[in-house]
Amino acid sequence: EPEVTQTPSHQVTQMGQEVILRCVPISNHLYFYWYRQILGQKVEFLVSFYNNEISEKSEIFDDQFSVERPDGSNFTLKIRSTKLEDSAMYFCASSESRVSNTEAFFGQGTRLTVV
Amino acid sequence: TQLLEQSPQFLSIQEGENLTVYCNSSSVFSSLQWYRQEPGEGPVLLVTVVTGGEVKKLKRLTFQFGDARKDSSLHITAAQPGDTGLYLCAGEGRNYGGSQGNLIFGKGTKLSVKP
Repeated sequence: EPEVTQTPSHQVTQMGQEVILRCVPISNHLYFYWYRQILGQKVEFLVSFYNNEISEKSEIFDDQFSVERPDGSNFTLKIRSTKLEDSAMYFCASSESRVSNTEAFFGQGTRLTVV
Repeated sequence: TQLLEQSPQFLSIQEGENLTVYCNSSSVFSSLQWYRQEPGEGPVLLVTVVTGGEVKKLKRLTFQFGDARKDSSLHITAAQPGDTGLYLCAGEGRNYGGSQGNLIFGKGTKLSVKP
């Protein structure tokens, strides 16, 4: 069964360092997303990506964040200068078409710990 | 601001009992989705309800979408320990420009079914 894969599963980084979280979406999917879940809180939308550009982003997705699809298979989330409050589970998701009424498949997540 | 409120937050029951969890909003959603999330993993879609008043069954799970499309419920009959997990409802975010192409999640109901 096709699945969204994310690497690494756990990343520990020092405050102020840059991190890149990687995702391989399902191959025939066209829409890609990043969500995050701070421990004990709800899953929050960060950004959606379609046709090699950002289609929507939330208030959380500020200038410290960027996304890229560098090679047609990987989809990455970069945080330029991590802060303690960036510690969270980051989930990548993909869907065949826009999310309404269409299943978004989620990866297993990357747990980011900023120390 | 679109919000999805889930209740109860925590539910601990014995195997064989029935339970209902709720997902409520003051906003109308074109559809609502229910996910189940295991610890350390990403959300997995259970069902999407689209039509007001719609009822969908998935084995012992029954999902209902409110007539006004502002609320939904999940009823589990004869709960099993394998039903233990975090149950999330999610709906498509919208603004005045239409679909935002992202999902808004509730905080979830953490269900524990004891043998």
